[in-house]
Amino acid sequence: QQQVKQSPQSLIVQKGGISIINCAYENTAFDYFPWYQQFPGKGPALLIAIRPDVSEKKEGRFTISFNKSAKQFSLHIMDSQPGDSATYFCVAGTGRRALTFGSGTRLQVQP
Amino acid sequence: GAGVSQSPRYKVAKRGQDVALRCDPISGHVSLFWYQQALGQGPEFLTYFQNEAQLDKSGLPSDRFFAERPEGSVSTLKIQRTQQEDSAVYLCASSSPGQGYEQYFGPGTRLTVT
Repeated sequence: QQQVKQSPQSLIVQKGGISIINCAYENTAFDYFPWYQQFPGKGPALLIAIRPDVSEKKEGRFTISFNKSAKQFSLHIMDSQPGDSATYFCVAGTGRRALTFGSGTRLQVQP
Repeated sequence: GAGVSQSPRYKVAKRGQDVALRCDPISGHVSLFWYQQALGQGPEFLTYFQNEAQLDKSGLPSDRFFAERPEGSVSTLKIQRTQQEDSAVYLCASSSPGQGYEQYFGPGTRLTVT
């Protein structure tokens, strides 16, 4: 049962462009929505997170947009850089318990 | 301070062998999680500890999987009679109440069953 659906599976963006990754969830009990970034051979690292009472959160070049009624959220990476090339996971959680990961988006930023 | 560490980083096991994977969480983190990440997929939850208590083991795929955290710090994930479908990266994460829901992940142990 895939509770968090993520798209696209892969994404190629030119340096300086905007990368957009979309996610949808099913379980309305989720109350925590982080995005994790993973480089090859490394564990996932928290990038940015949002709670459902906020519609948007921005940290530097990274912005989460959250639509509670549609049960959708997205990550925007502005001014994408080659160093941003990694796999990104949208994630949903309930309380201080297990996280449910999406299937991941492999982002490649071309110089 | 030091992050979450896991050992070994790589493990090759023959089908039917037992393996033990170790996780050292960040010092003082009371919550510890194990996840399984298949190639090209997102991590999937296996089990969760708060201190030494295993509060959720609903993600363990079979009774061949067993996890423990006897002193509320280091944790071991044990897989008995390994099968090829157990090949994956096993990730450990820890968190602290003072840091909300944020889970810090280790680098993982890549298990290959031949």
